[in-house]
Amino acid sequence: RKEVEQDPGPFNVPEGATVAFNCTYSNSASQSFFWYRQDCRKEPKLLMSVYSSGNEDGRFTAQLNRASQYISLLIRDSKLSDSATYLCVVNAGSQGNLIFGKGTKLSVKP
Amino acid sequence: ETGVTQTPRHLVMGMTNKKSLKCEQHLGHNAMYWYKQSAKKPLELMFVYSLEERVENNSVPSRFSPECPNSSHLFLHLHTLQPEDSALYLCASSFGTGGYEQYFGPGTRLTVT
Repeated sequence: RKEVEQDPGPFNVPEGATVAFNCTYSNSASQSFFWYRQDCRKEPKLLMSVYSSGNEDGRFTAQLNRASQYISLLIRDSKLSDSATYLCVVNAGSQGNLIFGKGTKLSVKP
Repeated sequence: ETGVTQTPRHLVMGMTNKKSLKCEQHLGHNAMYWYKQSAKKPLELMFVYSLEERVENNSVPSRFSPECPNSSHLFLHLHTLQPEDSALYLCASSFGTGGYEQYFGPGTRLTVT
């Protein structure tokens, strides 16, 4: 099993749609979880941390399921500007460095 | 945004050249990283520095040589590269190693001819 696994997509959705991405991780000792966003030919940028209790930032909601070792990202009311690749990031064990998934590509169409 | 800067932004070099990539962070962080991102591949961690000490070297060929003179600056010295080394090289920093969130510079797009 890969350390961090994501559906590469692409997810093609219309503006205003709700879209959800899932990510699975293999190391049950992982303690830190993030979603990053990467635009084409740009650097990854931190979108949000993922907490055990789940967290929300505007139209974005992240959830963590430790028992099943997966993380999700929900985007409501999609905007054209949400088009990007979304990277699931998990640390390698309780003190390990971050491991980046290959990313899920989202394309929001008018 | 000027949290993490990288120079140059673009670099074309021949296989016999020697060049250096520079990274500077203005966030007061203690850890710095070099990553390689090839087309359609995930980020590959190359080197990790914590308080100017190299703490991780992920089986990177010796033609890549990192240097961290202080906690704000990180260099990647390049020599006798191969065409397959063409990629986006990203620098990142974080408060500490382990599970802290990392902040990236804009990257250097390297082409080896």
